[in-house]
Amino acid sequence: GAGVSQSPSNKVTEKGKDVELRCDPISGHTALYWYRQSLGQGLEFLIYFQGNSAPDKSGLPSDRFSAERTGGSVSTLTIQRTQQEDSAVYLCASSKGQGAEKLFFGSGTQLSVL
Amino acid sequence: DQQVKQNSPSLSVQEGRISILNCDYTNSMFDYFLWYKKYPAEGPTFLISISSIKDKNEDGRFTVFLNKSAKHLSLHIVPSQPGDSAVYFCAASVAGANNLFFGTGTRLTVIP
Repeated sequence: GAGVSQSPSNKVTEKGKDVELRCDPISGHTALYWYRQSLGQGLEFLIYFQGNSAPDKSGLPSDRFSAERTGGSVSTLTIQRTQQEDSAVYLCASSKGQGAEKLFFGSGTQLSVL
Repeated sequence: DQQVKQNSPSLSVQEGRISILNCDYTNSMFDYFLWYKKYPAEGPTFLISISSIKDKNEDGRFTVFLNKSAKHLSLHIVPSQPGDSAVYFCAASVAGANNLFFGTGTRLTVIP
């Protein structure tokens, strides 16, 4: 497909477990973003990758959150020792170039921490 | 600290009438604004944008207005159609920055 692909679409986990969320951006897009949307909130920026540059991690809420992007393409967001407040929709987006313009979003991963 | 605010969580409009969705922002450095539309179980999709050098941008039934002095923008949909029913997010950025700041969204329902 031509769009941003995220997996899994839904993830239910127990408090304290680690989870990995995957994002496959649009081919050729050099920029990749992770956002999350908690219930009743706007989209919250988490992390940004641009090409081979060091990622902008300024939005990560705690050191339990980390992300990597391998080969400038697929990205994995990892949440360690999940907490109930981590429950949210995690959205990945990609774009052609620098600057947060016209992002193309995936369908998201609904994470529920019990 | 919400830099982009959408104070109306929901809006209902009759089919064929105008829908007006509002957005306010606090950061005077924002110079690029976007509207995204989101259907259930899908990611947001880009709808329309406007640069701060303009005060209006039109694309078919969709028009975005920007009032920089009031730090306010609005999205007009004319005429509204049932397929427009979705959550609309306002977003803003500073040129060259990595981050888009999003509002909390307004759920639009167009009644047939």
